[in-house]
Amino acid sequence: QKEVEQDPGPLSVPEGAIVSLNCTYSNSAFQYFMWYRQYSRKGPELLMYTYSSGNKEDGRFTAQVDKSSKYISLFIRDSQPSDSATYLCAMSGYSSASKIIFGSGTRLSIRP
Amino acid sequence: EADIYQTPRYLVIGTGKKITLECSQTMGHDKMYWYQQDPGMELHLIHYSYGVNSTEKGDLSSESTVSRIRTEHFPLTLESARPSHTSQYLCASSFTGGARGANVLTFGAGSRLTVL
Repeated sequence: QKEVEQDPGPLSVPEGAIVSLNCTYSNSAFQYFMWYRQYSRKGPELLMYTYSSGNKEDGRFTAQVDKSSKYISLFIRDSQPSDSATYLCAMSGYSSASKIIFGSGTRLSIRP
Repeated sequence: EADIYQTPRYLVIGTGKKITLECSQTMGHDKMYWYQQDPGMELHLIHYSYGVNSTEKGDLSSESTVSRIRTEHFPLTLESARPSHTSQYLCASSFTGGARGANVLTFGAGSRLTVL
């Protein structure tokens, strides 16, 4: 069983919709939870990260962590065609030397 | 604007050739990494370095080798390329100021290798 599971999609929604992207994990030692966005033919770039449980908001993006369920989410409000990309979740332990485990990514397409 | 640079971006070569993928970063990051990414699959760590003259193998077995002679430079070499090496190779770097904290990676744009 993989440590991090992520639905690969593809997910296609109309412009302006609220998008929900999710990951589940099995390792209770994970403390940092990250979301990366990867455009076609580019490397991943960090969108945001959270520590432990709770929510974090940055503009149209909200990250949620539910450690009791081992479930994390990324919500995108008022989605735009420019949000079309692959979104990867990633997780690591408390130490800065901890391994980072990535999900396989969800391919998102926003229809104009 | 990218602060971590990978060359070449695309490479098509024949079996048995030796290749080196270059990676340089201008951020003064101490840690550098090489990941392999195949379509629909998670990133797999193949090599990492915590500083000059320090290199370690990652989780995914790889026939490639790396070196870290300078802080900013982390090249990956395949002595004899095979079709099974066809993949996208991503270089990344990070700075860790202490023992705790999120290890945030900055990625290059990737090198897509095709071995015929």
